[in-house]
Amino acid sequence: ELKVEQNPLFLSMQEGKNYTIYCNYSTTSDRLYWYRQDPGKSLESLFVLLSNGAVKQEGRLMASLDTKARLSTLHITAAVHDLSATYFCAAGNYGGSQGNLIFGKGTKLSVKP
Amino acid sequence: NAGVTQTPKFRVLKTGQSMTLLCAQDMNHEYMYWYRQDPGMGLRLIHYSVGEGTTAKGEVPDGYNVSRLKKQNFLLGLESAAPSQTSVYFCASSPPPGQGRYEQYFGPGTRLTVT
Repeated sequence: ELKVEQNPLFLSMQEGKNYTIYCNYSTTSDRLYWYRQDPGKSLESLFVLLSNGAVKQEGRLMASLDTKARLSTLHITAAVHDLSATYFCAAGNYGGSQGNLIFGKGTKLSVKP
Repeated sequence: NAGVTQTPKFRVLKTGQSMTLLCAQDMNHEYMYWYRQDPGMGLRLIHYSVGEGTTAKGEVPDGYNVSRLKKQNFLLGLESAAPSQTSVYFCASSPPPGQGRYEQYFGPGTRLTVT
């Protein structure tokens, strides 16, 4: 059974600092997603990682995937207040009759001046 | 393109009442999903569909039924609502594998309270 664990669950950062959110998953997964959610809003797709060693960057966020370690990271560089949100990772296996993702519990990020 | 839309946005039910949540997508996606989101639990898959006329159970299917009579619509039914079904419900859709696109697109959510 696939399980997804994120840590930390809460993260308070100062503006300008760097930090990393970790996402571990328990069994083989052929795709790893990162989503952002603002309070009371829907989920916004940030990254989709499909292969070992994949790295994607968008602005101050960079995501990577190590399928051998079953680990994905979301690295935040020089945080700004606008990055305050909850970040979710999700893993799953695509194809056949399966299309479902298993989500982590989310990391609530608060960036303070 | 409206993307994924959900109806209604908010609803309050009494225990034992029934209701149907409607999800519609205009992206011609084959796959559709219903999730629930509870505080501290992330999103959990209720049911999903890989095509018109097909449905399958997810992680937490008990107390819910679904139907996919048309490709663009995915309905989630609560036959006899319980307070434990108080949650925010999200619908999502995605293209099938093999098309090189893997993202799930989420609707705005329905906030349901059962008293």
